[in-house]
Amino acid sequence: EIVLTQSPGTLSLSPGERATLSCRASQSVSSTYLVWYQQKPGQAPRLLIYGASSRATGIPDRFSGSGSGTDFTLTISRLEPEDFAVYYCQRYGGGGSSSLTFGGGTKVEIK
Amino acid sequence: QVQLQESGPGLVKPSETLSLTCTVSGGSIRSYYWNWIRQPPGKGLEWIGYIHHSGRTEYNPSLKSRVTTSVDTSKNQFSLKLSAVTAADTAVYYCAKWEESIKAFDIWGQGTMVTVSA
Repeated sequence: EIVLTQSPGTLSLSPGERATLSCRASQSVSSTYLVWYQQKPGQAPRLLIYGASSRATGIPDRFSGSGSGTDFTLTISRLEPEDFAVYYCQRYGGGGSSSLTFGGGTKVEIK
Repeated sequence: QVQLQESGPGLVKPSETLSLTCTVSGGSIRSYYWNWIRQPPGKGLEWIGYIHHSGRTEYNPSLKSRVTTSVDTSKNQFSLKLSAVTAADTAVYYCAKWEESIKAFDIWGQGTMVTVSA
């Protein structure tokens, strides 16, 4: 089973700063199946990025995704107050696979 | 716009079966893959499995022996049953729609908390 490891566990930053979140896979992952979600307290996750780098509908362009193979990154160019949340990466094995896993999450908190 | 709403008991006794239903509104259940995902308190997300309206299913191998899902097209609902529950199954349970064109969960229910306790 492919394991996704997210780092850091917690990122303490100020509004306006740049956030760089990492998602590392234990084996190579197709970019097509690498996704990022944002989750705020008491809410369901919200789709941010799919296909490693495509923004979902309505997602501001300060959010960007990149990477390939085993290393993927979510970047928030300038943090807004509403961006402080937990972020999860997720991968799917493809082709009707029963392999779908999430990373452990990175919490972006206000410094 | 499709919306999802989970429903079911908030408290289940150990060794019993957890049963939840997700109602799909604003669209037909006769499309897409319909998923269950859970999140223990203070922890991360765990995919449970999916069901397609055709009846096709796939489950997380770690839960497969205890999971059953079904679809009721007449009610636009799909359901989850998780048997032989323990305290480790205490979690917020979400239903979510898998959008095949982007290979992602694009719509989620608000989630429902299920506690396993005597």
